[in-house]
Amino acid sequence: GESVGLHLPTLSVQEGDNSIINCAYSNSASDYFIWYKQESGKGPQFIIDIRSNMDKRQGQRVTVLLNKTVKHLSLQIAATQPGDSAVYFCAENSGGSNYKLTFGKGTLLTVNP
Amino acid sequence: GAGVSQSPSNKVTEKGKDVELRCDPISGHTALYWYRQSLGQGLEFLIYFQGNSAPDKSGLPSDRFSAERTGGSVSTLTIQRTQQEDSAVYLCASSVVAGGLGNTIYFGEGSWLTVV
Repeated sequence: GESVGLHLPTLSVQEGDNSIINCAYSNSASDYFIWYKQESGKGPQFIIDIRSNMDKRQGQRVTVLLNKTVKHLSLQIAATQPGDSAVYFCAENSGGSNYKLTFGKGTLLTVNP
Repeated sequence: GAGVSQSPSNKVTEKGKDVELRCDPISGHTALYWYRQSLGQGLEFLIYFQGNSAPDKSGLPSDRFSAERTGGSVSTLTIQRTQQEDSAVYLCASSVVAGGLGNTIYFGEGSWLTVV
């Protein structure tokens, strides 16, 4: 079946650098995408979302980019801080579902002081 | 409370026993979701409730799993005759209505289930 996947399972950056976490999706019917952050022992925390009629959306220190042509999603974190260390998941609304999300396996981001 | 509340936070049970996991969604949220997360994996959809509509149970892995939502608020996920492969974190989430831009899905901290 179709699924959401990540290019890199781990990413290590220096504090203050910008981080980019990538995600590939294969279900062209999906039209809503979300990034979640999950710290060890905690539930996923919403970061930012984007609909397929947009190609970019910005939040506080984070930007999500969507390239529908190549079915690629990325999360950019500016001035990465140690508190950003976590597993980051991308998710899509499965084939356009208005409630069912399909999650990728996650990328572990480690920020070195 | 301010967020989605789940209990117990940790549960160790013997194989073959039944377990109940509870979820209190954010007040006013009509949509409620259960997901399962195995070690080092992404989240797997289990079931979805929206108001008084019939739930979408399509993600439940077997008939040993069931869930109910009473009064449109609190939900209970029940696993009967637990097996070791049921060991996982069970995450509950809620949103004002069905998810989508502007209708953020908020997750609880999860119930960590270990079947021994």
